[in-house]
Parts: sequence; structure tokens; C-alpha cells
Amino acid sequence: EVQLVESGGGLVQPGGSLRLSCVGSGFTFSTYWMTWVRQAPGKGLECVAIINQDGGEKYYVDSVRGRFTISRDNAKNSLYLQMNSLRAEDTAVYYCSRYDYWGQGTLVTVSS
Amino acid sequence: IVLTQTPLSLAVTPGQPASISCKSSQSLLHSTGQTYFHWYLQRPGQSPHLLIYEVSNRFSGVPDRFSGSGSGTDFTLKISRVEAEDVGVYYCMQNLQFWTFGQGTKVEI
Repeated sequence: EVQLVESGGGLVQPGGSLRLSCVGSGFTFSTYWMTWVRQAPGKGLECVAIINQDGGEKYYVDSVRGRFTISRDNAKNSLYLQMNSLRAEDTAVYYCSRYDYWGQGTLVTVSS
Repeated sequence: IVLTQTPLSLAVTPGQPASISCKSSQSLLHSTGQTYFHWYLQRPGQSPHLLIYEVSNRFSGVPDRFSGSGSGTDFTLKISRVEAEDVGVYYCMQNLQFWTFGQGTKVEI
């Protein structure tokens, strides 16, 4: 059974940093592109960052480029999102996705 | 690429059909012949799950009352007979260039 489990969310002050993690199981993690998608409270879905199988290709939505970094460790079946210089508008549930499977999400709240 | 869904909300009667449209600002047909367009359902309090991939293919476990059609820039999701468990927000998504989603269509009974 394919599973994606996110962790690392929480409350952080504006300007602060947070690192999200996602562990995949039930599939060969190293063979899939992986994505972080977020959903602000009461809003729709927004793709934040995408990474290819070996981590050599990374793409970001304009609003996070330069502040967020996506990475992966295939030996640990893990996907990461390093989030720096956080803003109130980054408050959202962050989902890890393989496109056909999604995790349950982790809530990031940016507030003083 | 911008995806525009209509309608944004839909009140349905159990047993009746329902339809959602999604229009793309550019063709989603790749040179390989694949069309990078998909439909998701997000039930209340849950994460999104894949219903239809590549325009018209039902994902594993998806009931056959769901069907997808379309090509190029115009796509449609149809539910032949709505059931109570179909309530939630439906999103179209393209991954030809990065990923973008439609605004979502809220379906209520």
C-alpha cells in the first residue's frame, strides 16, 4: 500500500524557518517525481515545489522561489521542504504528493 | 497555464447526473500524445484523491459513475448518478508545465 506521511509543521513567527518532511512507503520512492502542494485555510490547491527522481531538477512557484528549497534523500525514502523567511501568507496545510497519491498533510501557521 | 472551472458550486440531487467543466489557457497535449490533465476530489476534512488521470482514465477504486472527457483545452467531468459520498470539492489539474489547479467546484447535496 502506497503511503505518504508528512511531519514538521507547527507555529512559527514571521521571518522564521521550518523544515517539512515526507516519508514514502509501499513503492519505489527513487523512481518518482515528488511534489509539495499547499492549501491555505478555506482556499484551493497550490503547487509549491516539484523535484525529479534524482533531485537534479527542481521547480518552484514564483511566490516561494528563493525562500523555499525542495530536496530528497532516496536512501531514506524521504522528501523535504526547507522553508525560510516565512510570511503570514505561507500559512497552509502542506501536502506531499506523488500526483496519484497524497499524504494527510501537515499544518504550518505563520503568526506572531 | 491557467485552468478555469465552471460552475464553482453545484447543488445536486442524489440519483441525478452532474457535470463540471474545466478550460485551459493552452493545450495540454504533449508531443508524445499524452494529455497531462487530471481530476481530483477533496472530501471535507480529507486530502485530495485522484479520480481521473490523463483526461478519461478512472483511477484504481473509482466507481464507474465517474467519467472524464475532452481534449486540448476543454475538459469535462461527469457523474452519471450522484451519491451522497460524492460531496466535496472537485479540482482539475494540469502537469504539462509545473502543476496548476482549477479554482475548485464545491458539490453539495
